[in-house]
Amino acid sequence: EPEVTQTPSHQVTQMGQEVILRCVPISNHLYFYWYRQILGQKVEFLVSFYNNEISEKSEIFDDQFSVERPDGSNFTLKIRSTKLEDSAMYFCASSADRGSYNEQFFGPGTRLTVL
Amino acid sequence: AQSVTQLDSHVSVSEGTPVLLRCNYSSSYSPSLFWYVQHPNKGLQLLLKYTSAATLVKGINGFEAEFKKSETSFHLTKPSAHMSDAAEYFCVVIRAGNTPLVFGKGTRLSVIA
Repeated sequence: EPEVTQTPSHQVTQMGQEVILRCVPISNHLYFYWYRQILGQKVEFLVSFYNNEISEKSEIFDDQFSVERPDGSNFTLKIRSTKLEDSAMYFCASSADRGSYNEQFFGPGTRLTVL
Repeated sequence: AQSVTQLDSHVSVSEGTPVLLRCNYSSSYSPSLFWYVQHPNKGLQLLLKYTSAATLVKGINGFEAEFKKSETSFHLTKPSAHMSDAAEYFCVVIRAGNTPLVFGKGTRLSVIA
């Protein structure tokens, strides 16, 4: 069964460092998403991506964040200068289409720890 | 704006007894509602979804949920819990035609042998 994969499963970094979280969406999907969950809080939407551009983003997704689909299979989230409050579980998701009728398939997440 | 409130952060049941995980929603528009499950070290998996068709929705692994507009609720139930049901469960809302899922805080289900 096709699935979304994410690497690494756990990333530890120093404050101020850049990190890149990687995701491989399901191969025939067209819409890609990043969500995050700070420990003890809700899963929150960060950004959606379609046709090589951001289609929607939340207020969390500021200039420190960027997304890219560099090679047609990977979908990456970059945090330029990490802060302590960026520590969270980051989930990638993909869907065949947008909207409520189309299931978003999630990866297992990357746990980011900023020291 | 859409939101969901999961009324219990942790529910513990004995194996073979019924499961009830409670969710209330708030939405200015006709909502679509979902339940996702997350097993340890796994991604979020869709259990079931309501998208304005039948109000009683059946999902995978014997789970079902009933959309009650008058009570703004979408509670998840299962007649008989199994050990493998132990996981984190998320109630989720989305506005029709929109993209971002809006998650509740999650309910951790423990199943005792």
